[in-house]
Amino acid sequence: DAGVTQSPTHLIKTRGQQVTLRCSPKSGHDTVSWYQQALGQGPQFIFQYYEEEERQRGNFPDRFSGHQFPNYSSELNVNALLLGDSALYLCASSLARSYIYETQYFGPGTRLLVL
Amino acid sequence: AQTVTQSQPEMSVQEAETVTLSCTYDTSESNYYLFWYKQPPSRQMILVIRQEAYKQQNATENRFSVNFQKAAKSFSLKISDSQLGDTAMYFCAFMKPYSGGGADGLTFGKGTHLIIQP
Repeated sequence: DAGVTQSPTHLIKTRGQQVTLRCSPKSGHDTVSWYQQALGQGPQFIFQYYEEEERQRGNFPDRFSGHQFPNYSSELNVNALLLGDSALYLCASSLARSYIYETQYFGPGTRLLVL
Repeated sequence: AQTVTQSQPEMSVQEAETVTLSCTYDTSESNYYLFWYKQPPSRQMILVIRQEAYKQQNATENRFSVNFQKAAKSFSLKISDSQLGDTAMYFCAFMKPYSGGGADGLTFGKGTHLIIQP
């Protein structure tokens, strides 16, 4: 049973560029959440996708956008990169069932460095 | 908005000892979930244990157990017979039920770096 996978593992970009990170959820899961983890900090919730729509969003600017595909995989896009966007980006998947709140399982993350 | 506080940035214990990590949270919700996640140097976030707020019984998973005090909004993690492989960052996390069903975004604390000494 494949767990959550993310690509790429590492990425180096320069300020002003755009980046796309990818996530494949755990088999059987239909919901994908994205988190940003700065060095030495706990993860912060960016947004969540369910049924190909953004269902919930944390306190992140519009430069952060996403997409979910029919196979439940997801992309995180960040435009106009800033130095402060350097972080570990974590993807988590879960299964949405009404009133049953499934645990979120995390991928290994993508380390983004903005120079 | 919910907040999660972990007041111990770092803890160090000897192998085989018992250690307790503290977590407090603030919420106006009555129904929610609490989690402890472990993040070793490999950085993969691994679920350790979870607790449903409506359950009075404290969750237990092998050597890991929690002390959930709902009125005090406290959720501590006890690790018994600690092992070298327990060395990691430990994060306490809160999840508010989503009205439409499914998992909500997690709110994490800043973490506690646990070091198990041989």
